[in-house]
Amino acid sequence: AQKVTQAQTEISVVEKEDVTLDCVYETRDTTYYLFWYKQPPSGELVFLIRRNSFDEQNEISGRYSWNFQKSTSSFNFTITASQVVDSAVYFCALSENFGNEKLTFGTGTRLTIIP
Amino acid sequence: DTGVSQNPRHKITKRGQNVTFRCDPISEHNRLYWYRQTLGQGPEFLTYFQNEAQLEKSRLLSDRFSAERPKGSFSTLEIQRTEQGDSAMYLCASSWDSYNEQFFGPGTRLTVL
Repeated sequence: AQKVTQAQTEISVVEKEDVTLDCVYETRDTTYYLFWYKQPPSGELVFLIRRNSFDEQNEISGRYSWNFQKSTSSFNFTITASQVVDSAVYFCALSENFGNEKLTFGTGTRLTIIP
Repeated sequence: DTGVSQNPRHKITKRGQNVTFRCDPISEHNRLYWYRQTLGQGPEFLTYFQNEAQLEKSRLLSDRFSAERPKGSFSTLEIQRTEQGDSAMYLCASSWDSYNEQFFGPGTRLTVL
């Protein structure tokens, strides 16, 4: 069975600091997708990134970067120079079978950026 | 570009009543998903459709729950004889196909008194 663990329940950092959100996953499949979603106070989940299991290259998008390491089953998310607008709950998710049938989410990390 | 819409946004009902929620996916998305999210938890998968066919149902979806997507466009989720444990946010998502990301709607928050 697939499982996603986000051990950090809540994180608070001062604005402009860097912050890393951890995600560890479990799956018996060799082909799968990993995702990060952001849930701001308004409640609507916003897609951030999708990564397939064959692509271990790190990805950078503006202030966001993702580190995928199959050896440790981790898919960590770093925000550089954090801003107040980054305050939200962030979810890591997993989809097996190299498809997108259903997502298994972690319990989320609530990130608070202190101005 | 219109996103996924859900109605109503909030629903308060008494235990034992039936409720129905509607989801309108992004136009031309042929996959539609339902999830449930309780306070402090991540969304949990309930069911999904490809066009009008319901392809998978979670064990979370008891006999009191039924979902339909009659013409492969909008979908409805009905809960019969609601219980207090059904109180949650019900999220709908859609995707172009099985290889693209899911886009989520704003959710319907159900409160069962």
